[in-house]
Amino acid sequence: GAVVSQHPSWVICKSGTSVKIECRSLDFQATTMFWYRQFPKQSLMLMATSNEGSKATYEQGVEKDKFLINHASLTLSTLTVTSAHPEDSSFYICSAGNRDFYGYTFGSGTRLTVV
Amino acid sequence: TQLLEQSPQFLSIQEGENLTVYCNSSSVFSSLQWYRQEPGEGPVLLVTVVTGGEVKKLKRLTFQFGDARKDSSLHITAAQPGDTGLYLCAGGLSGSRLTFGEGTQLTVNP
Repeated sequence: GAVVSQHPSWVICKSGTSVKIECRSLDFQATTMFWYRQFPKQSLMLMATSNEGSKATYEQGVEKDKFLINHASLTLSTLTVTSAHPEDSSFYICSAGNRDFYGYTFGSGTRLTVV
Repeated sequence: TQLLEQSPQFLSIQEGENLTVYCNSSSVFSSLQWYRQEPGEGPVLLVTVVTGGEVKKLKRLTFQFGDARKDSSLHITAAQPGDTGLYLCAGGLSGSRLTFGEGTQLTVNP
């Protein structure tokens, strides 16, 4: 149980375009989803926390207008990178949690390359 | 300032050797998790410890949570090349955000 599906696993886009990444909890209801960014051989940097039905809480330094997060249901959260630039190229990972258990399940990540 | 200090950041050892990774904080966590991540994939949960002084074993991996719930360690016995990966500790509260350590990149050479 506790499977999180993240799509796409990789995407290449042109500068100035927008990219949407989906994170779905397949067999449980995720009251909270988290979005992380990770650079090569580094740890995960939390970008934002989203709770179903409410606005996402962004970490300091993360532009909310650039990284749009929607958590419209208990099983789906999306991260849209708007007007992408090469510096947005990174590995983006989501995780989903539930108030009833410790530990979080991570998606398999999305490798975004902006050219 | 990193809330969770993880050490060492890089570790390269030979197959069969033992190793210990440390995760330290000045904060008290109600739970602490250890994850392992391989390139191009998301982290996979190895263990969750919740009780001060708790010790959990997962085959050749031994996890310990400090008595004060501020630190944890991961010990690997007789490391194998398949243990190679990024090991991450993370502390948090139930239903709340996780704080990750910087990670330990482990390479086990055959």
